[in-house]
Amino acid sequence: GAVVSQHPSRVICKSGTSVKIECRSLDFQATTMFWYRQFPKQSLMLMATSNEGSKATYEQGVEKDKFLINHASLTLSTLTVTSAHPEDSSFYICSARDSGVRRTQYFGPGTRLLVL
Amino acid sequence: AQKITQTQPGMFVQEKEAVTLDCTYDTSDQSYGLFWYKQPSSGEMIFLIYQGSYDEQNATEGRYSLNFQKARKSANLVISASQLGDSAMYFCAMRELTGGGNKLTFGTGTQLKVEL
Repeated sequence: GAVVSQHPSRVICKSGTSVKIECRSLDFQATTMFWYRQFPKQSLMLMATSNEGSKATYEQGVEKDKFLINHASLTLSTLTVTSAHPEDSSFYICSARDSGVRRTQYFGPGTRLLVL
Repeated sequence: AQKITQTQPGMFVQEKEAVTLDCTYDTSDQSYGLFWYKQPSSGEMIFLIYQGSYDEQNATEGRYSLNFQKARKSANLVISASQLGDSAMYFCAMRELTGGGNKLTFGTGTQLKVEL
């Protein structure tokens, strides 16, 4: 399957700081990438859809000023959690969709964020 | 109403036995895709198998097969010859190609434990 990388895999930060998470599609171009959030023992919740060269589309209830998404190229999308607080601690997973008939979504390994 | 329903929070199976993980879905779209993903404790979402709504044959990928019953709106995952490494969380997901905004919607997941 296609490879999607995510960096960093884990991050611990102080409350009030900003954290940037990178998502890269390594062997295919992805015009669309997705950012999910997952709490322990729960399902994935879509936060936003990121389209290359245009503004991200955020799901209802997701603060776009807090979760900044940039999709600058066909292989890179970034999520910046601004002024992070303890309630932002979560597992963040990105996903990239290929352009094949199935348009399968491949997921990155995720980033565990802990805000102290 | 839930678009994807996984009624089994947890399942146990003995090594080398087959196991079926249930998934039902709700959509009014005629064109949609169904996916199964595996999430081990590491957190990575691993794509397993895909079934298109117009596919007449059940999808198979190695030890994974999808029992697609369109009239009943079910898409159960069958894992044959279970291995210890199959222990993980399994998510069923659907993408509606018209009404759902072309986004993946996940079920709540089933935790599978393979025992000796």
